[in-house]
Parts: sequence; C-alpha cells; structure tokens
Amino acid sequence: DTAVSQTPKYLVTQMGNDKSIKCEQNLGHDTMYWYKQDSKKFLKIMFSYNNKELIINETVPNRFSPKSPDKAHLNLHINSLELGDSAVYFCASSQVNFGGAEAFFGQGTRLTVV
Amino acid sequence: GDSVTQMEGPVTLSEEAFLTINCTYTATGYPSLFWYVQYPGEGLQLLLKATKADDKGSNKGFEATYRKETTSFHLEKGSVQVSDSAVYFCALRASGGSYIPTFGRGTSLIVHP
Repeated sequence: DTAVSQTPKYLVTQMGNDKSIKCEQNLGHDTMYWYKQDSKKFLKIMFSYNNKELIINETVPNRFSPKSPDKAHLNLHINSLELGDSAVYFCASSQVNFGGAEAFFGQGTRLTVV
Repeated sequence: GDSVTQMEGPVTLSEEAFLTINCTYTATGYPSLFWYVQYPGEGLQLLLKATKADDKGSNKGFEATYRKETTSFHLEKGSVQVSDSAVYFCALRASGGSYIPTFGRGTSLIVHP
C-alpha cells in the first residue's frame, strides 16, 4: 500500500486555468505539507497543515490554496495558472510534535503550464 | 530562521570511490537532522537520521554524524555504486515551534562505472 499518494502524476494545462492536485496519506499522521520543487531541485515549503493549524509560506501567491476534507487528505488548488507555476509539487506527511519523525513524500506531480 | 547549507553539485565519482557530501545547519535549540535521497522521477525518501548530538545515522552503507560543535551532518559512503546516482538532500526539523522540515538545496551525485 502506498503511504502517500498524489494524483495526477503529470498535469499539462493552459495559462489561466484552475486545477487541483489530490493527496492522501494512510499513515495516520497528524500533519501534511505541500512543497514545490523547481528545475534546480530546490524544495520550497508552501503549506503545513494539521487539524488545528494552517501555516502558509507568505511568499506563496494566494492563487494557491490547500483544502483538507479530513486528516488523511490535503488537496492543492491553483487558480489562474501562470507559466511560472510549472514545477514538480510534492505532498508529504509526518507526525506533529515530534521533531525526530521523518517526512514521507508522495511521488510528485509534474505540472506544466503552456 | 532555520536553514541548511549543502555543497553544490554535481558530484561526479567513479564506482567504488569515497563519497562525502557536506551539510551545515543553522537552528535554535536541538534540531533533528536527516538525509533524504531522490532517485530520478521519484519522491524523496529517508536515507538516515540523527536526533541528538553525537548520534550517527546509517543505512545502505551511508553514514552521517550529528556534530553540534560544528553544526554539521556530513554524508559519507566508503564505496559508491552506479545505483547511488541520485539527488541527496540534507534537512532538519526544529525541536519546537512549527516542526516544518527545512531542506538544503540538494546535491546531485553521478557515479560512473
């Protein structure tokens, strides 16, 4: 069973469209994250969310929004897509309140905006 | 804020060579330290970790020791294989606060036969 799964794996879309990426974890973790990985492999935290708190990286445009229907899911919605949004987006999860717990990552979603 | 600095790549080695990838960090308190590996087309996966000073993490022949005095967590392997070719990320999680994992920029390793 896949621990953290994302769909779709590839997403090609036109500028101006709205799209969503889904993420589910079956590890029973308290906290989920979204990271953006650019072409140079740099990982930038976008959001951190548990059932009590949403932490937003203030550099993330408000066109990006996380939606969590329950503890096991954290979806990423993107409005009015721009060329610069092209990247690989990773969902991850971990136990909160335990700094020694590692993060588990999904396989990534490669978003291409044309 | 917390930060992680890794040596820039790519690191190119011949099979069976010795590997060192340097990592230093800045954080308050006593963070936990991690190395993750990303193979082409995949997500990151944990390679090893250490949660307190002087701890040594090890896995698949890789090792790293948590050095608080030098704020470092260098990754080493005595004899690399072609299959070790990947991108390696050093990361930390703070001992308090938001616990959001902070990653270095990644170091690409290329191993030639």
